[in-house]
Amino acid sequence: AQSVTQLDSQVPVFEEAPVELRCNYSSSVSVYLFWYVQYPNQGLQLLLKYLSGSTLVKGINGFEAEFNKSQTSFHLRKPSVHISDTAEYFCAVSETGKLIFGQGTELSVKP
Amino acid sequence: DAGITQSPRHKVTETGTPVTLRCHQTENHRYMYWYRQDPGHGLRLIHYSYGVKDTDKGEVSDGYSVSRSKTEDFLLTLESATSSQTSVYFCAISEDWDGYGYTFGSGTRLTVV
Repeated sequence: AQSVTQLDSQVPVFEEAPVELRCNYSSSVSVYLFWYVQYPNQGLQLLLKYLSGSTLVKGINGFEAEFNKSQTSFHLRKPSVHISDTAEYFCAVSETGKLIFGQGTELSVKP
Repeated sequence: DAGITQSPRHKVTETGTPVTLRCHQTENHRYMYWYRQDPGHGLRLIHYSYGVKDTDKGEVSDGYSVSRSKTEDFLLTLESATSSQTSVYFCAISEDWDGYGYTFGSGTRLTVV
């Protein structure tokens, strides 16, 4: 069975700094990969997804992620964060129609 | 998201009582899912449905049952609530079996005392 590991439970960063949230998954076979964002007291919203093709995927709110098959990673990046990016971020992999989620990374953007 | 609603949004219940959470969608999506969210565990799949009356177990199904008698409604029942079932429950819908991603509801915060 697939598993997803988010390597950092909390990431504090100053406003306008770059950020990378790390995600590794367990399988080397073809996978579909996702990043979701959860703002306080809300449900999850899809940020971006990788299905096939270009390994660099662009999403909403200026986020992007790079699929690296050899390292089984799908790290999320943003070159300059805003206070409004403060949220919890979840990496997920699709396995036979079901999404398997990582433990989540809390991104805290400080002024 | 406007196409999926969960009820109730908050509930406090006593240990040993049955509880039913409802997920309602207006998108006519075939696939529906129930997850629970707990700190340090991310989201874990409880049950899912791939059509009316077609359901299956997820990773953490013990103590839970589901029913789907109509495309738009997916009910999650805690047969006899325990304190370990205190959690935030999310429903999700998907148009396709794989690769499409989910749309999530706003969640139900359940406290079992």
